[in-house]
Amino acid sequence: GAGVSQSPRYKVAKRGQDVALRCDPISGHVSLFWYQQALGQGPEFLTYFQNEAQLDKSGLPSDRFFAERPEGSVSTLKIQRTQQEDSAVYLCASSFAGTQPQHFGDGTRLSIL
Amino acid sequence: RKEVEQDPGPFNVPEGATVAFNCTYSNSASQSFFWYRQDCRKEPKLLMSVYSSGNEDGRFTAQLNRASQYISLLIRDSKLSDSATYLCVVNAHGSGNTGKLIFGQGTTLQVKP
Repeated sequence: GAGVSQSPRYKVAKRGQDVALRCDPISGHVSLFWYQQALGQGPEFLTYFQNEAQLDKSGLPSDRFFAERPEGSVSTLKIQRTQQEDSAVYLCASSFAGTQPQHFGDGTRLSIL
Repeated sequence: RKEVEQDPGPFNVPEGATVAFNCTYSNSASQSFFWYRQDCRKEPKLLMSVYSSGNEDGRFTAQLNRASQYISLLIRDSKLSDSATYLCVVNAHGSGNTGKLIFGQGTTLQVKP
C-alpha cells in the first residue's frame, strides 16, 4: 500500500535483549518521526529525521534508544538492553515536510517480559 | 504539568447526542492545532485541523482560543461509529522546533444505541 509501514507488528522480548523496529515511510516524505505510546496515554515524541539527518532526539528516554535513517527513507529504532518500562506501542509517522500533516503507521506493539 | 491536557473521560452518550471535548495547552508559542482520532489498537488519524476562526467539517466543529490557550471539538448527532479516543494535538513550529506533535492523553467517547 501507499501508507507508512511498520514491522514487526508485535514483538515480545525478554528483559535485557536488544530489539529493532522498522519503519517504511510514504515514498517521497522527507520528514520522519518516532513516537512512543504507553497504555492509556497519548503518543510521546521520541525523535525526528529530515532525510537522513536526525535533527531532534530530545524525546529519547535514555542512551539505550538509538534511531537511524541512513539513506533518508527506511528508519530503524533500536532499543538495547530492554527493560519492562520499554513496553509500549512505537509509532512511526512521516510527512512531506516537517510542518505538513503526519501520517502514522500501525505501530509496533512491544512487550518486554 | 503536561503540555497538552484533556479530560480522559470516558464520555458515554446516546446516539444523536451532541458532545463537546475541551483541551488546554501550555506553550503559547504553539502554532498549529489538530484533533486526531484513534480507534482501539489502531494508529492515530487526523480528524481535522483547528483554526482561530473556527472550522467545521460536517458534524464536527473545532474552535481555538489563543488568548486562553484552549481548543474544543464539538460533535453533533453522534453516531455509533464516532466511538473512539480523540486526541488533542499541538505542533510547535519556529526556530529550533521540528514540527513534532505534542499529544494530549486523549478523551474516550462511547456512543451507545
